[in-house]
Amino acid sequence: AQKVTQAQTEISVVEKEDVTLDCVYETRDTTYYLFWYKQPPSGELVFLIRRNSFDEQNEISGRYSWNFQKSTSSFNFTITASQVVDSAVYFCALSSSGSARQLTFGSGTQLTVLP
Amino acid sequence: KAGVTQTPRYLIKTRGQQVTLSCSPISGHRSVSWYQQTPGQGLQFLFEYFSETQRNKGNFPGRFSGRQFSNSRSEMNVSTLELGDSALYLCASSPLPGVSNQPQHFGDGTRLSIL
Repeated sequence: AQKVTQAQTEISVVEKEDVTLDCVYETRDTTYYLFWYKQPPSGELVFLIRRNSFDEQNEISGRYSWNFQKSTSSFNFTITASQVVDSAVYFCALSSSGSARQLTFGSGTQLTVLP
Repeated sequence: KAGVTQTPRYLIKTRGQQVTLSCSPISGHRSVSWYQQTPGQGLQFLFEYFSETQRNKGNFPGRFSGRQFSNSRSEMNVSTLELGDSALYLCASSPLPGVSNQPQHFGDGTRLSIL
């Protein structure tokens, strides 16, 4: 069985602070995919990033960066110099090659960035 | 390029009724998945369709069903509605199944309330 844990239910930061959202996953598959999605109040899930299990390179995209560590089964997400518009619920998700579009989601982290 | 379109956005029903939700995928996308989002259970996979065939199914009772048409549009149906079916129902599309690294793109969802 697959499982994704986002231990941080809510995080509040002041604008321009850096913030890291934690994600820990469990799977028995050797080939799997990790995702981060953002859900603003409108409800739509916005895709942010995908990582496959064979690629442990960290990635940076503007103010966003991701740290994937297979040794600790973690896929953490950092927002640098946070902005009010970053306020949303962030979900980490996992899928395996056998059921590629069956995403297992974490419970989400509500990020509030205060002005 | 238009995104995933879900209709209606909001729906109110009473216990025992049935409901049909619609999803039009991104043009060219052929795989459609459905998810249920509730405060208690979070985001849970319902089912996936490709080429008018159900490819994957989550752990939901038979009251939840779906179908896909030749133009890739999909509908999901819930019969004999229960209070616990109140949720945000999200549809996601991706180009093809079997290509695990392609992310799913989500619609804004249909918020279903059961009275």
